[in-house]
Amino acid sequence: ETGVTQTPRHLVMGMTNKKSLKCEQHLGHNAMYWYKQSAKKPLELMFVYSLEERVENNSVPSRFSPECPNSSHLFLHLHTLQPEDSALYLCASSLDPGQTYNEQFFGPGTRLTVL
Amino acid sequence: GQNIDQPTEMTATEGAIVQINCTYQTSGFNGLFWYQQHAGEAPTFLSYNVLDGLEEKGRFSSFLSRSKGYSYLLLKELQMKDSASYLCAVVDSNYQLIWGAGTKLIIKP
Repeated sequence: ETGVTQTPRHLVMGMTNKKSLKCEQHLGHNAMYWYKQSAKKPLELMFVYSLEERVENNSVPSRFSPECPNSSHLFLHLHTLQPEDSALYLCASSLDPGQTYNEQFFGPGTRLTVL
Repeated sequence: GQNIDQPTEMTATEGAIVQINCTYQTSGFNGLFWYQQHAGEAPTFLSYNVLDGLEEKGRFSSFLSRSKGYSYLLLKELQMKDSASYLCAVVDSNYQLIWGAGTKLIIKP
């Protein structure tokens, strides 16, 4: 148990569907992250929130829409996805993103398949 | 551009020692992390190096040479449960984590 939970663990959706991924951290951290993990590729940082404000958006397509209602919860809303968006989506949290020692704690991920 | 290089896959024998290398070229350096990720699970923290030298933690050790842009993770007395992917990540000048693609380690009996 890492203190970061994600739901659902697996998701299959069509290209016209709308779905949401949920992340919750129980560690009292101030920063939360969404990453995309594809086979044999580095983790791709998608979004960073610090104290509920978005501080980083790495040119992610608008079909991915994040929401951070409070410092413990993070959502990723999905709509009109493409098959190449199929991947493992990881959520992480850390105490403070502006520090050199910024250990990130990861959730187990949502395995997304877009048909 | 920023780049982290690790071998894609390595194989080792139970009970042996293995060294996983990581070389990096980044805009600034504020530390290097190693994470372990079992298949279908979350990455978990193994080590953090910011100064040159070797950090030992049980069966796992991590080494850093900032002048060479090089780190390695050393795993001793390998166990079957060490079969996993090992991710190297560097903290750059903007305090962002730059990730390598990971090294898949296969342990054989």
